[in-house]
Amino acid sequence: SYELTQPPSVSVSPGQTASITCSGDKLGDKYTYWYQQKPGQSPVLVIYQDTNRPSGIPERFSGSNSGNTATLTISGTQAMDETDYYCQAWDSSSVVFGGGTKLTVL
Amino acid sequence: QVQLVESGGGVVQPGRSLRLSCAASGFTFSSYGMHWVRQAPGKGLEWVAVIWFDGSNKYYADSVKGRFTISRDNSKNTLYLQMNSLRTEDTAVYYCAKEGNDVLTGLNTGFDYWGQGTLVTVSS
Repeated sequence: SYELTQPPSVSVSPGQTASITCSGDKLGDKYTYWYQQKPGQSPVLVIYQDTNRPSGIPERFSGSNSGNTATLTISGTQAMDETDYYCQAWDSSSVVFGGGTKLTVL
Repeated sequence: QVQLVESGGGVVQPGRSLRLSCAASGFTFSSYGMHWVRQAPGKGLEWVAVIWFDGSNKYYADSVKGRFTISRDNSKNTLYLQMNSLRTEDTAVYYCAKEGNDVLTGLNTGFDYWGQGTLVTVSS
């Protein structure tokens, strides 16, 4: 079965750029989606189809996908961005999530 | 506005059954694929199942195949998950999620709306 691999944790200083990766076999041939989940809340879609931001998502969130790796980039990271992030892709008719990355802003 | 409200969670013994519901409003329910996604305590997201907009196709994660059944009633704007032969490892918050699609291209735009989740605890 298809697998997506994320680093368990990423740290960034306030105002700097955070990059969260998601790796999978030929992931660049698929669309990748990214979700933000704050404690006790439901996930929120922050990037769809690799690079697109839903309405209401700040411009500091961006995405890319090439080869075997998709990347969620948060520019000018703020304290409110400290939380869990999940990547997601479709494999045939099934959905796969990455294991999640905890972003720490310190 | 779009609302997804899950219900039906609770505490159940291993081997027993439970049916979850997800009441949808604020959008044309019959036009969208719908999913169940679960999250075990302190763990990540795990996709469970999908049902197409018209109920014609259903797909499941290997971990629930043969035990869980996804269904929908488009006349009632409601999504269901029938869970049989429950195991302790099925303990999780279960979310229903709406699948978005681009009106111009028809391409999937991700899970654009999620319910608040309902907790299922499988324990003796």
